[in-house]
Amino acid sequence: GENVEQHPSTLSVQEGDSAVIKCTYSDSASNYFPWYKQELGKRPQLIIDIRSNVGEKKDQRIAVTLNKTAKHFSLHITETQPEDSAVYFCAAPLTGTASKLTFGTGTRLQVTL
Amino acid sequence: NAGVTQTPKFQVLKTGQSMTLQCAQDMNHEYMSWYRQDPGMGLRLIHYSVGAGITDQGEVPNGYNVSRSTTEDFPLRLLSAAPSQTSVYFCASSYLPRGGHGYTFGSGTRLTVV
Repeated sequence: GENVEQHPSTLSVQEGDSAVIKCTYSDSASNYFPWYKQELGKRPQLIIDIRSNVGEKKDQRIAVTLNKTAKHFSLHITETQPEDSAVYFCAAPLTGTASKLTFGTGTRLQVTL
Repeated sequence: NAGVTQTPKFQVLKTGQSMTLQCAQDMNHEYMSWYRQDPGMGLRLIHYSVGAGITDQGEVPNGYNVSRSTTEDFPLRLLSAAPSQTSVYFCASSYLPRGGHGYTFGSGTRLTVV
């Protein structure tokens, strides 16, 4: 099955700095890579996703990059704000069952003033 | 459009009791799934369904049953609750993939087994 590793497990940045979270996956056939944000006590919510036919996707202050050769993808948050503080999860699908996502173990991001 | 609705939000069970966690979606999503979330372990798949009448096991299915009699509903049954099942449970749904789709999650059920 798919194995998704996520690093770091915790990340503390100062407001205004950038944050980068990286995930690696094992299944070379995976073709869809979403990122979820989970605030304390809330449900995970999809914030951005990328498909394997593109290398980068941006949405305002967040971006995701994909390196299919190395089998890793990263979440980039620029100009971080206190409301970015949350746990972020990456995910990747099992081969042949693209709806069945395997999640990373999460990164707790703390943005300090 | 309510999205994915989970009930109850909180539940305390005694060891050995059974209960059903409810999940309903109104987006006509074919795919529905149940995850449990434990500290430091991310989201682990319990059971999933790709359509009415079709269910399959995920990563951690032991102690849980599911059924999918309609497109909208996907209840999760705990057969005989154990303290190891103390967790936060999330139901999620999506369209079946044409390249993959993001999930919509319910608000979660926090279950404590004593």
